[in-house]
Amino acid sequence: EPEVTQTPSHQVTQMGQEVILRCVPISNHLYFYWYRQILGQKVEFLVSFYNNEISEKSEIFDDQFSVERPDGSNFTLKIRSTKLEDSAMYFCASRAGGLVYEQFFGPGTRLTVL
Amino acid sequence: GDSVTQMEGPVTLSEEAFLTINCTYTATGYPSLFWYVQYPGEGLQLLLKATKADDKGSNKGFEATYRKETTSFHLEKGSVQVSDSAVYFCALSEPNFGNEKLTFGTGTRLTIIP
Repeated sequence: EPEVTQTPSHQVTQMGQEVILRCVPISNHLYFYWYRQILGQKVEFLVSFYNNEISEKSEIFDDQFSVERPDGSNFTLKIRSTKLEDSAMYFCASRAGGLVYEQFFGPGTRLTVL
Repeated sequence: GDSVTQMEGPVTLSEEAFLTINCTYTATGYPSLFWYVQYPGEGLQLLLKATKADDKGSNKGFEATYRKETTSFHLEKGSVQVSDSAVYFCALSEPNFGNEKLTFGTGTRLTIIP
């Protein structure tokens, strides 16, 4: 069964460093998303991506964040200069499109900023 | 803006007990409603969905009915099993030309004891 994969499963970084979180969505899907969950809090929408551009972003997704689909298979989230408050679980999701509403989620990357 | 309010956890039940996890929502339009489940170490999986008022979503013995008059989507199961132990998330998405993002509740951790 096709699935969304994410790497790494856990990333530890120093404050101010850049990190890139990687996702491989399901191959025929058209819509891509990043969400995050700070420990003990709700899952929050960060950004949606369609047709090689951002469709919508939340207020969390400031200039420190960027997304890219560099090669038609990977979907990456870059945080340019990490802050302590960026520590969270980051989930990638993809959706087929049309009237198929289900978003398929990856297992997440736990980001720890020290 | 849209929001989802979920019953606080954790919830601990004995095997074969009846389960209800309450979920209410606030939305400006006509959202689709979802329950996602997260098993330990895994990503979020869609458990069931309902796309319009009075629809009942069901899967694996779980049910939830879209109640527009009470803006609720409570999750129920008649007889829980140890394997149902997981975190359950209620979520909604509003129509947005295919770029529907999910708005989640805080999640309810369910533990079933034999």
